[in-house]
Amino acid sequence: SQTIHQWPATLVQPVGSPLSLECTVEGTSNPNLYWYRQAAGRGLQLLFYSVGIGQISSEVPQNLSASRPQDRQFILSSKKLLLSDSGFYLCAWNQPGLRNEKLFFGSGTQLSVL
Amino acid sequence: GDSVTQMEGPVTLSEEAFLTINCTYTATGYPSLFWYVQYPGEGLQLLLKATKADDKGSNKGFEATYRKETTSFHLEKGSVQVSDSAVYFCALSEKNYGQNFVFGPGTRLSVLP
Repeated sequence: SQTIHQWPATLVQPVGSPLSLECTVEGTSNPNLYWYRQAAGRGLQLLFYSVGIGQISSEVPQNLSASRPQDRQFILSSKKLLLSDSGFYLCAWNQPGLRNEKLFFGSGTQLSVL
Repeated sequence: GDSVTQMEGPVTLSEEAFLTINCTYTATGYPSLFWYVQYPGEGLQLLLKATKADDKGSNKGFEATYRKETTSFHLEKGSVQVSDSAVYFCALSEKNYGQNFVFGPGTRLSVLP
């Protein structure tokens, strides 16, 4: 069966520090991978998605970046965090090829930038 | 572009009350529709889905019917429980390769004993 792992679960970082959040998927190959952010009391904002190794699409301009060094690994990074980067970050995956394929979500990372 | 609108929360109900959370969408094509649920401190889980007009998705006592004429996908449950307290997200997916999920803002439900 497929599983998705996301870590860390909680992170407190000072403004200006770097960020690296990691997500891995097991039990499938060539998945679509996604990073979402959920700000407090707000809905989900798609940040990045990837349809293959090294292929990253950005949905919103920001100081975050994403990379996919391996087929089932998706990394969210920042060189210098801002206060506005605080939020709940969710990694997700689905199988490409069918538009009605549901998204599977990781358990999320609560990031607090102080 | 595509969008999803949900009723504003929070919604507070007593146990065994009837639940309706309204969801309407705007899409250029013919989307699939979803309800996701997020329990405190967790990621989202698929609750139910419908892929074509008049389809009814159902799970755990929740139901939603795909209404193309009113572009709606309202979530209902006849008798809520305290354990149903969570945030509920309506979503659509339109692109052929499953890349374009659009989520509503979420509706927080609190069920009191």
